[in-house]
Amino acid sequence: QLQLQESGPGLVKPSETLSLNCTVSGGSITSPSFFWGWIRQPPGKGPEWIGSMIYSGNTYYNPSLQSRVTISVDTSKNQFSLKLSSVTATDTAVYYCASSPRGTWTFNWGQGTLVTVSS
Amino acid sequence: EVVLTQSPGTLSLSPGERATLSCRASQSIRSNYLAWYQQKLGQAPRLLIYGASSRATGIPDRFSVSGSGTDFTLTISRLEPEDFAVYYCQQYAASPFTFGPGTKVDI
Repeated sequence: QLQLQESGPGLVKPSETLSLNCTVSGGSITSPSFFWGWIRQPPGKGPEWIGSMIYSGNTYYNPSLQSRVTISVDTSKNQFSLKLSSVTATDTAVYYCASSPRGTWTFNWGQGTLVTVSS
Repeated sequence: EVVLTQSPGTLSLSPGERATLSCRASQSIRSNYLAWYQQKLGQAPRLLIYGASSRATGIPDRFSVSGSGTDFTLTISRLEPEDFAVYYCQQYAASPFTFGPGTKVDI
């Protein structure tokens, strides 16, 4: 069974770039059966899909964040990553990595990591 | 973008009672591409049901869904103590995939 684990800094300064990694265990990130993605949840609010990618390289981003987001994969580490540039306080949230079975855009989530944007 | 609205915001019930949660979409969702998640305090959301009636692995049959088009309902037939949580709907018919604001089921 796939398990996903987020890692990265819990505090990022305004205007800087948020960078998170997600390590996949129990399966290969090169599997054509899954999309790999990121979702965030501000405190007390509903989740927001950030974007997803498949190993072959196709990426899909939320238009509201597209200009600031990059999702990429590192096959040597069985990881995928998120970079969100020019962050502000409104980017403070719990960030989750997630897998989606190919053919359905439902999500199975990692445990999440809180990222706070503050100077 | 498809906007999802959930009601009520909070549902106060007792174990053994029936819970009915509503999710309404700003436009019709094709092929019932709607999912429901359960989130307990401090935990990640967990997929419960997707599509017309497909339960995720390990989800008991007291959870069921109904509806089509723009109006969907999640029903918990008899609440167990572990069911008290926040429930989110999510549409995956059109990108960007969007979530509702949630319904809290508490005692």
